Amino acid sequence: AQSVAQPEDQVNVAEGNPLTVKCTYSVSGNPYLFWYVQYPNRGLQFLLKYITGDNLVKGSYGFEAEFNKSQTSFHLKKPSALVSDSALYFCARGSWGKFQFGAGTQVVVTP
Amino acid sequence: EAQVTQNPRYLITVTGKKLTVTCSQNMNHEYMSWYRQDPGLGLRQIYYSMNVEVTDKGDVPEGYKVSRKEKRNFPLILESPSPNQTSLYFCASSYEFPGQGRNEKLFFGSGTQLSVL
Repeated sequence: AQSVAQPEDQVNVAEGNPLTVKCTYSVSGNPYLFWYVQYPNRGLQFLLKYITGDNLVKGSYGFEAEFNKSQTSFHLKKPSALVSDSALYFCARGSWGKFQFGAGTQVVVTP
Repeated sequence: EAQVTQNPRYLITVTGKKLTVTCSQNMNHEYMSWYRQDPGLGLRQIYYSMNVEVTDKGDVPEGYKVSRKEKRNFPLILESPSPNQTSLYFCASSYEFPGQGRNEKLFFGSGTQLSVL
């Protein structure tokens, strides 16, 4: 079974509106969860991580993510999207050296 | 500047011709790993290394080899490339790996676009 799932291939949002990118994970041990972003023709950049502790994690560029154990989800959020947030977003799960990434969600923010 | 350097950036080769993609980091990171990115599949881990002389398989290791003789370098070797290895490859490193502590942020290289004809 896939360890990390991103159910949406693409998310379209107007600039200034809230942005949510969904991620669910399979239940197996402690979830070390991450979000990364990939801008065109570039490598991935770290946004934020959940290890243990607070269920709301704050990260780079105004992004945050909410960890929900009962729903096994780790959705990425931003209160007000910018055109510059248009990129490919990956949810990932790490476990003692092994990393598994979701298929990615393309975010398109229109002016 | 702290960075992960991959070379070459682009590579076109033919089936069966051995090739090496180099990866070097200047951050004294313990952990290094290789991924391939394919449309609709996201990134899939090929191999990883937790320290010098310690390597292990990721989810898609078939057809690849790695070595970690020095802390800073982690080359990816394709002994006999095949067309299904055409992909975008990324190397990444971090100070620690998930579960080890608090410094698990991965730093990625710029990628190597490989085409095997």
